[in-house]
Amino acid sequence: EAQVTQNPRYLITVTGKKLTVTCSQNMNHEYMSWYRQDPGLGLRQIYYSMNVEVTDKGDVPEGYKVSRKEKRNFPLILESPSPNQTSLYFCASSPSRVETQYFGPGTRLLVL
Amino acid sequence: AQKVTQAQTEISVVEKEDVTLDCVYETRDTTYYLFWYKQPPSGELVFLIRRNSFDEQNEISGRYSWNFQKSTSSFNFTITASQVVDSAVYFCALTQSGGYNKLIFGAGTRLAVHP
Repeated sequence: EAQVTQNPRYLITVTGKKLTVTCSQNMNHEYMSWYRQDPGLGLRQIYYSMNVEVTDKGDVPEGYKVSRKEKRNFPLILESPSPNQTSLYFCASSPSRVETQYFGPGTRLLVL
Repeated sequence: AQKVTQAQTEISVVEKEDVTLDCVYETRDTTYYLFWYKQPPSGELVFLIRRNSFDEQNEISGRYSWNFQKSTSSFNFTITASQVVDSAVYFCALTQSGGYNKLIFGAGTRLAVHP
C-alpha cells in the first residue's frame, strides 16, 4: 500500500530533551516536506527536500533540523524542544514540485 | 505574497442539507495549483482535489463539487446532501508553479453535520 508513515504518533517530552520524528514513504517520491498544524493557522511548512542531500527551509524552520540521507526517509529533529513547539506535525511527499502532496498520519507533540 | 483565506471558521448543518465552504486565494503567479484536503476527527489529511489555474471547469465527484472562478480568485467546495461522515475540518491550499514544494494552507473550516 502506498503510504507515508510517521513515528511516533504521540510524544510527550520536556524542554531541552532532543527528539526525532521519523518519516518514511514507499512511493519513490522526490519531494518531501514537514508541516506543523496549529489552531487558527492551518498548516505551515517547516522544511522541504527536493532529493537526497538537498533540503531547504520553509516558513517556520527555527528550532528544527532535517536530513535526507535516503530517498524514502526524512526525519525531523528537534535539538532542544521548547513549549512553543507543541503542535501537530505532518510529513508529506510528492512526485514533483507541484503535484499532490500525500500526508502521513501526523505526530502530536507536547513539550512540557 | 501568496495567501489563502477561509473565512468560515465553523459551519453547522443538519444532515441532508447542502453546504458550501468558501476559499479565496491571492497569488501573483499565472500558473498555480489549488487543493482541498479533508481532516476527519481521526486527524489524518485526506486529499480531495487538485486543480490547475488554467482549468476553470467545475468538477463534480459524487456529492462533492468544486467551483473555480479566477475572476474572483475563489475555489469553493460544495457538499450536496451532507452526511454525518462529512464532519471534518476542510483545508483549501495553494501552490505556485515557480516556487518550491510548498503548500499555502488556509486556516480551515470545521464542518459539523448533525443527524
